[in-house]
Amino acid sequence: EPEVTQTPSHQVTQMGQEVILRCVPISNHLYFYWYRQILGQKVEFLVSFYNNEISEKSEIFDDQFSVERPDGSNFTLKIRSTKLEDSAMYFCASRGQGLTNEKLFFGSGTQLSVL
Amino acid sequence: AQKITQTQPGMFVQEKEAVTLDCTYDTSDQSYGLFWYKQPSSGEMIFLIYQGSYDEQNATEGRYSLNFQKARKSANLVISASQLGDSAMYFCAMTINQAGTALIFGKGTTLSVSS
Repeated sequence: EPEVTQTPSHQVTQMGQEVILRCVPISNHLYFYWYRQILGQKVEFLVSFYNNEISEKSEIFDDQFSVERPDGSNFTLKIRSTKLEDSAMYFCASRGQGLTNEKLFFGSGTQLSVL
Repeated sequence: AQKITQTQPGMFVQEKEAVTLDCTYDTSDQSYGLFWYKQPSSGEMIFLIYQGSYDEQNATEGRYSLNFQKARKSANLVISASQLGDSAMYFCAMTINQAGTALIFGKGTTLSVSS
């Protein structure tokens, strides 16, 4: 089965530093998403991206966050000035045509630790 | 806005027994999709089963079935013949029928299967 790839698997950073989390969605998918999961808690939606622009975002996705698709394959999440509460697992996901019955394919996640 | 509620933080079951994980949802949309994902301790998100709001029959995928009661707005996951490997966190999620709309997840239920 095709896979969503995320790098790095673990990222440790100091508070106030910028981090970029990277994802390679499945090649023929059109819709891309970022979710986060604080340890042991629910999977929270951050942002969705289609046709080179944000299509939806949650309250969590404030001005500190940005997403980009710099080329035809990568999809990145940038956190400009990390806070302790940004520590979480960040999942990238993609979907083909964005149809209601299409499952999300998730990457294996990046565990972000802000010290 | 749609909402997913999972009221069971933890469930315990013996091997080979069946277990039902509860999920209720709320949406004003008539067309929507319901999903269940499994998250083992390794952290990846594994798709289990999908039910469309207009599907007349309950979805089944191997040992997984979805008990869909539209009038009650419930979409319970039934796992038959539990196995030790079923021990994991289980998330119910939904999306509405607009292209690319993100899946929104419940808080999850931790299932523990004992021998």
